[in-house]
Amino acid sequence: QKEVEQNSGPLSVPEGAIASLNCTYSDRVSQSFFWYRQYSGKSPELIMSIYSNGDKEDGRFTAQLNKASQYVSLLIRDSQPSDSATYLCAVNRSGGSQGNLIFGKGTKLSVKP
Amino acid sequence: GAVVSQHPSRVICKSGTSVKIECRSLDFQATTMFWYRQFPKKSLMLMATSNEGSKATYEQGVEKDKFLINHASLTLSTLTVTSAHPEDSSFYICSARDLSGQGNSPLHFGNGTRLTVT
Repeated sequence: QKEVEQNSGPLSVPEGAIASLNCTYSDRVSQSFFWYRQYSGKSPELIMSIYSNGDKEDGRFTAQLNKASQYVSLLIRDSQPSDSATYLCAVNRSGGSQGNLIFGKGTKLSVKP
Repeated sequence: GAVVSQHPSRVICKSGTSVKIECRSLDFQATTMFWYRQFPKKSLMLMATSNEGSKATYEQGVEKDKFLINHASLTLSTLTVTSAHPEDSSFYICSARDLSGQGNSPLHFGNGTRLTVT
């Protein structure tokens, strides 16, 4: 079983719609969860971090964490064409050093004008 | 905010030569930096953890003699790809965490280095 799984997409949504990105992880004791955005040929950029169950909102972005289901998601409201990118889910490896993250393969999001 | 600078952004080299990539934390100190590699349409894979003043820790399957890591100061780590081959062509990305942050503070990534070995 892969440690961090994401639907590779592409996920296509119209401009102004809500984009929903999902991620599951296998290590039950994971504590830290991150969403990164990566444009083609560029390095990842942190979008959201979440550490406790529930929702965390930051502008148009909402991260949701359910540790019992080992599930973390990212909602993007009022999607814009500039949101088109690959979104990487990352989980802090339990017992590893800080920053030892396990990444999913990413979901490619396309926002159509 | 915290910034990690990586240089060069792009390099093309001939097979058999060595290439050095630098990673600097510009406004914070980092005892630990991380080197990732990303092949096209694949996720980031951790190669090694660079430790200031001590040996790097390599992930399983990564050759330490091929990917030399030096972390000589709290703000600089280097990755040298020795005797590069075409299969080493990839996107190499470094990252670091601000020491002054919380235990769960996220990583900050450099802009990456696109290595092409001909």
